[in-house]
Amino acid sequence: DTAVSQTPKYLVTQMGNDKSIKCEQNLGHDTMYWYKQDSKKFLKIMFSYNNKELIINETVPNRFSPKSPDKAHLNLHINSLELGDSAVYFCASSQDGGLSGELFFGEGSRLTVL
Amino acid sequence: GNSVTQMEGPVTLSEEAFLTINCTYTATGYPSLFWYVQYPGEGLQLLLKATKADDKGSNKGFEATYRKETTSFHLEKGSVQVSDSAVYFCALSDLLGYQKVTFGIGTKLQVIP
Repeated sequence: DTAVSQTPKYLVTQMGNDKSIKCEQNLGHDTMYWYKQDSKKFLKIMFSYNNKELIINETVPNRFSPKSPDKAHLNLHINSLELGDSAVYFCASSQDGGLSGELFFGEGSRLTVL
Repeated sequence: GNSVTQMEGPVTLSEEAFLTINCTYTATGYPSLFWYVQYPGEGLQLLLKATKADDKGSNKGFEATYRKETTSFHLEKGSVQVSDSAVYFCALSDLLGYQKVTFGIGTKLQVIP
């Protein structure tokens, strides 16, 4: 039973389209995150939610909009996709808001914008 | 702000060689330090951690010691295996940076038979 699951795993789309990536965790954690990993493996935090409340919102274009319907889900919607959005997007969760530093990651969603 | 600096890869080693991946950090508070590992096609998973100065984290033959005086947390393994081939990330979390874990750039390790 996968702890943090993301869908879809692969997404290929055209510039200008709108797409969503879904994430669910069954660990009972209070905090969820979205990270972006570029082609050089650099990992950058985008958003963090704690009990459905937005906690971290890094410098991310407002084309990216996270939504947390409940504390087990954190979805990422991207409008007007650009070539530079191509990356692997990782969802993660933690029990204590990251204080212990232990994050549980999903397998990633590889987005390719053509 | 907080930052983590780790050596750029890729690092290529023969099986049974000794591994060191350097990591240094900058933090405004009292951070906990971590190494995460990412195997091909997978998400990151916690490898080991240390929460205070002089602590040693260890797992699967890997070790790292929290050195406050040198602000370092270098990852070591005495004898690497092909199955250790992965990307290794040094990270920190800080009470002052609540809910934000800062990662280094990742170091790719390739172990050849």
